[in-house]
Amino acid sequence: DGGITQSPKYLFRKEGQNVTLSCEQNLNHDAMYWYRQDPGQGLRLIYYSQIVNDFQKGDIAEGYSVSREKKESFPLTVTSAQKNPTAFYLCASRYGTFHNYGYTFGSGTRLTVV
Amino acid sequence: KNEVEQSPQNLTAQEGEFITINCSYSVGISALHWLQQHPGGGIVSLFMLSSGKKKHGRLIATINIQEKHSSLHITASHPRDSAVYICAVPPYSGGGADGLTFGKGTHLIIQP
Repeated sequence: DGGITQSPKYLFRKEGQNVTLSCEQNLNHDAMYWYRQDPGQGLRLIYYSQIVNDFQKGDIAEGYSVSREKKESFPLTVTSAQKNPTAFYLCASRYGTFHNYGYTFGSGTRLTVV
Repeated sequence: KNEVEQSPQNLTAQEGEFITINCSYSVGISALHWLQQHPGGGIVSLFMLSSGKKKHGRLIATINIQEKHSSLHITASHPRDSAVYICAVPPYSGGGADGLTFGKGTHLIIQP
């Protein structure tokens, strides 16, 4: 079945270490997104990519980096520069154009930095 | 940037009750999304609607574009409906941005 795979589901890291979260999709969707969710807040956009080898900063990109070398993959690196990295991270993809589109979401990765 | 407000933030109801969750937004949009997030965190898309009403099983979503308001209704609610329901809108079409703007969600608990 087609979908988005995020791994791992739970991730623990020590403060000061970089960590990379995986997001893979087999839906042939062009656009992919990374969101962060904190308790009591809505999901916020970190980075997005509309095509391979291109990506744009979202609302809260500081302390994060991404790459988009393949259409299927959009990994997110949480760097040591991110001041509050503990959060739930959600990957999504989008098909279609402005008037006819839809989103698919992954199951998320919960990152805890100690 | 579009502002999305949901109400109520928390809702506890008895099995069988009719549930209404509201969403309002500040800037005109092409379509609005209703999503469901279960305790494990994964999100499922329920509806995308740009006008009128859509129905899927016991779920009904309505939107009033002029009033910038949408509602999600659940008829004959059941404990398995317990989840966080999230409203989301795309960016203003002329802005060149991408990605959805999400409400904070409504945490729904249906008690047996």
